[in-house]
Formats: sequence, structure tokens, C-alpha cells
Amino acid sequence: DAGVTQSPTHLIKTRGQQVTLRCSPISGHKSVSWYQQVLGQGPQFIFQYYEKEERGRGNFPDRFSARQFPNYSSELNVNALLLGDSALYLCASSSSDRRNTEAFFGQGTRLTVV
Amino acid sequence: AQSVTQLDSHVSVSEGTPVLLRCNYSSSYSPSLFWYVQHPNKGLQLLLKYTSAATLVKGINGFEAEFKKSETSFHLTKPSAHMSDAAEYFCVVSATYSGNTPLVFGKGTRLSVIA
Repeated sequence: DAGVTQSPTHLIKTRGQQVTLRCSPISGHKSVSWYQQVLGQGPQFIFQYYEKEERGRGNFPDRFSARQFPNYSSELNVNALLLGDSALYLCASSSSDRRNTEAFFGQGTRLTVV
Repeated sequence: AQSVTQLDSHVSVSEGTPVLLRCNYSSSYSPSLFWYVQHPNKGLQLLLKYTSAATLVKGINGFEAEFKKSETSFHLTKPSAHMSDAAEYFCVVSATYSGNTPLVFGKGTRLSVIA
């Protein structure tokens, strides 16, 4: 079975540009969450989607947006990139949005903003 | 609000000796607690989880953790460290009061295992 897949694995962008990161959850999983992991820190919650609806949003500026498609895949968009947006972006999928549900993480997209 | 504090940023042990990674949590509600491991250039993997059942939780690769409500702690232990255990470990708490259950991560503890 395929796990959570994220694309691209690495990318480099210039300040002010826009970027789109993609995530395909495990087959059958309807919940997708996005996390940002800055070097040397633990991941921080950005968004959670369940059944194509936003269920939660972390403390991130409006430059960050996301959506979930009918096939439950998801995109994370970041506009007007700043140097501080350089991080590993992790996608996690789970079978439901309820507590105790194990989240399965992809290997992440490493974004470098120069 | 939920939070976790990992008391050590770096722990170094010799191969074959016990491992102790310390975590304290804060939660307004009955928490779900997890330990995740992150090997270099790999994704996060769940080691174990506590969800209000048994307070001693056994996970993969010989790891276990004990939930102590009176001490608000959820320390991770392993009787004998192996070289392959060298990685970054994260203590994680999740709210249990609603369907919106973002995970709140600690800052991580880097475990080094010396041969």
C-alpha cells in the first residue's frame, strides 16, 4: 500500500514568489493536515481538512491557504514567500478527524526561499 | 490550550544502556499523547500512543511510555539502546474535546547512541 506521498520533495523559490505543495493521502483516508517544521524545531500545525472542509487553522498568516479535492488529495499554497518560510512542509493523513486517530506522515517537501 | 515540554534537547547514551526521554504536558482536557520518531531525511513515524486506556503503553521497537496524570508526564523509555535508535524524538499532545484535533509537538529530543 502506498503511504502518504508529497510532491515535490525539494524546491527552491525566490522571495515574493508563490508556491504550491501537493499531498496524496493514504487510500481511504479522508483527513489531511499540513505542518511546517523549521530546522531544529518540532512541526507546527497549519491546516486540517476533512471531507473537503477546513476543520482547523493554526497561527499562520493569510498568505497560507489550502484546499482538499474530491479525491481527498490536498494542496498547500503560500503566496509572497519570505525567507522565514524556508522549512520542511509535512502532510499527514488519517482515517477520520476524531481524536486518537493515528496520523501518518509523508516525507515532506523541503522548501528553500532565497 | 495544549502544550508539551521536552525537558532535554539532546540525550546521549551508550549502546545497550537504558534510554529515558522526558516529556511534560499541559492540557485543559483529557489528552491523547503520542511519541513520534524522525530519522534523518525520513518522515515521522508513530512509536506509541496513550488514549486513556492503560497508563503503561508499549510501542514499536521496544519503546514504552507511562502516563502519570499527577506529574503531567509521559516519559519515553527503552531498556537497551541500539545504534538504529539514533534519531529525533517528538512528544505530541492532541486535544480530545472536538473533532478538530491538531497535533501539538514538542521541540524534540535528539538521541545519540554511542558504540
